[in-house]
Amino acid sequence: DAKTTQPPSMDCAEGRAANLPCNHSTISGNEYVYWYRQIHSQGPQYIIHGLKNNETNEMASLIITEDRKSSTLILPHATLRDTAVYYCIVSFMNYGGSQGNLIFGKGTKLSVKP
Amino acid sequence: SAVISQKPSRDICQRGTSLTIQCQVDSQVTMMFWYRQQPGQSLTLIATANQGSEATYESGFVIDKFPISRPNLTFSTLTVSNMSPEDSSIYLCSAGGGSNQPQHFGDGTRLSIL
Repeated sequence: DAKTTQPPSMDCAEGRAANLPCNHSTISGNEYVYWYRQIHSQGPQYIIHGLKNNETNEMASLIITEDRKSSTLILPHATLRDTAVYYCIVSFMNYGGSQGNLIFGKGTKLSVKP
Repeated sequence: SAVISQKPSRDICQRGTSLTIQCQVDSQVTMMFWYRQQPGQSLTLIATANQGSEATYESGFVIDKFPISRPNLTFSTLTVSNMSPEDSSIYLCSAGGGSNQPQHFGDGTRLSIL
């Protein structure tokens, strides 16, 4: 079973920030938080991941609470093309640095509206 | 990031037949994964395929039904055997390497069984 809890759906106005929450209260010390999204008829797209520090890349920012029991994915200026199902996943890092298995939950369906 | 190509992108098959899905990665990767996404559902991991060893199957999936090959570091196949309408799903391949690299996904094979 997935170790994360996400709201089933969210709406966001185009041009505004989209803040997607995720609870992972049973996360272990060696588990990372990964975010993927799946746009209709495509495979999941990697967005960002982090261990305990906040992370930012060209797509999004990831804010992880100090106790690591929850996190928020931020899309700073949502566009219609960001409409997708967003998955928050916790996964350990194998020895050698490779990512462990991904257990997908139901995710959050984000609808960006004009 | 790795680019994943799957063939075929879609197929319609008769029950009782088998189909082999190919997954090609544009760089050498240690680990490759196969997932199933049933209609309206999230992704479920079928098996992990490492080069040079037998695939590791998740609970509920067996080698006789979903044989997997991993002949080298850039290629894998998944065969869906003796298909029934319940096998109608999207089958996705992903690949991930070491050094803190996340998994990347292909766009999947949409399989319909008549």
